[in-house]
Amino acid sequence: EIVLTQSPATLSLSPGERATLSCRASQSVSRYLAWYQQTPGQAPRLLIYDTSNRATGIPARFSGSGSGTDFTLTISSLAPEDFAVYYCQQRSNWPITFGQGTRLEIK
Amino acid sequence: EVQLVESGGGLVKPGGSLRLSCAASGFSFSSYIMNWVRQAPGKGLEWVSSISGSSSYIYYADSVKGRFTISRDNAKNSLYLQMNSLRAEDTAVYYCARDPAGSSWTNWFDPWGRGTLVTVSS
Repeated sequence: EIVLTQSPATLSLSPGERATLSCRASQSVSRYLAWYQQTPGQAPRLLIYDTSNRATGIPARFSGSGSGTDFTLTISSLAPEDFAVYYCQQRSNWPITFGQGTRLEIK
Repeated sequence: EVQLVESGGGLVKPGGSLRLSCAASGFSFSSYIMNWVRQAPGKGLEWVSSISGSSSYIYYADSVKGRFTISRDNAKNSLYLQMNSLRAEDTAVYYCARDPAGSSWTNWFDPWGRGTLVTVSS
């Protein structure tokens, strides 16, 4: 099973700042990595798939990069609605696995 | 508009059974791979099971293999999860989620339903 480790666990920033979230895989997942956003009480929403492709309707301030074992989600300028929990997910191998999440909170 | 609505959750005793349903609308259900993903209270996401459009291909997480059964009824636009021999650690919100690419296995999840809570407790 591929283990995904996200860092930091919690990130405290202010609106307008740049956010950088990391996801490290225990073995290479090529570029088969996605990012999801989950706000309290809501279902997760797909943001980025295949490392860097934005899902339908996702603002351009969200971008993804990386390959192999190290991946990054960047939010260029935080909007108030961006404060949420973010999960990475790999689909390189069964079973599909998720990271434990990064909580992005308002500073 | 694509909609996924889960139902069937509730309180069940350890060792008991429960059947979850997911009603789909707004898309050609039979053409899409479907999935169940769960989230224990205050915890992260865990993939549970996936099923192809024709039910020919089915996959399970090891944690539920042999106890849970995924199925679908394309005539009713519905996805199911039969859960047997339930354990306390199965307590979670269970989400139904679609593979966005249809019949090809991207194994991404988009969109998701709002989930249904299953609580396993005596």
